[in-house]
Amino acid sequence: AQSVTQLDSHVSVSEGTPVLLRCNYSSSYSPSLFWYVQHPNKGLQLLLKYTSAATLVKGINGFEAEFKKSETSFHLTKPSAHMSDAAEYFCVVDPFGNEKLTFGTGTRLTIIP
Amino acid sequence: GAVVSQHPSWVICKSGTSVKIECRSLDFQATTMFWYRQFPKQSLMLMATSNEGSKATYEQGVEKDKFLINHASLTLSTLTVTSAHPEDSSFYICSAREATGGNRGYTFGSGTRLTVV
Repeated sequence: AQSVTQLDSHVSVSEGTPVLLRCNYSSSYSPSLFWYVQHPNKGLQLLLKYTSAATLVKGINGFEAEFKKSETSFHLTKPSAHMSDAAEYFCVVDPFGNEKLTFGTGTRLTIIP
Repeated sequence: GAVVSQHPSWVICKSGTSVKIECRSLDFQATTMFWYRQFPKQSLMLMATSNEGSKATYEQGVEKDKFLINHASLTLSTLTVTSAHPEDSSFYICSAREATGGNRGYTFGSGTRLTVV
């Protein structure tokens, strides 16, 4: 079985400061992991994905995430927050051989001017 | 990049009527598409997996007679909410994965907000 836990339901940071959104996963297989962003009343946009290649994954808009198997984590980071980063972020796991994505409960990121 | 077009983006309908939502992959072929439902301030819940040319696979607890899914071609899947009721009001999102098994991940549509009055 697989699951995803997003440790914070809400994160607030000041504009220009670093962002850290935490995600832990469990999977019986070698998973693919994704981070998606959702702006209000919009669909999901892929930020980045890990598929067993490099453990440090760089995505769009300055985001990156590091796959740590020993910690079963896939935290999302960004060095400097921008106002446009305010949105809901979902950590998602795709277990190998199973296309049923499992979504975390989401983290709402608020940027303080 | 891969684009999935979902239409309409919002719809209001009367109780008892049916509503069809379309999901199209614009620049790739998708043998499999997925339909999700999202309640306010909650995560996405998979409703069903839509397979081109065959019956959809529904998740436990999802009424297949209420949520009719058709995947007639490699680029189009439709979700029809039949005899809609106010409790069906929600945000519905589709996603698709490239048929060739490309490493793009899953591409999501922009969602459809359904309000049943």
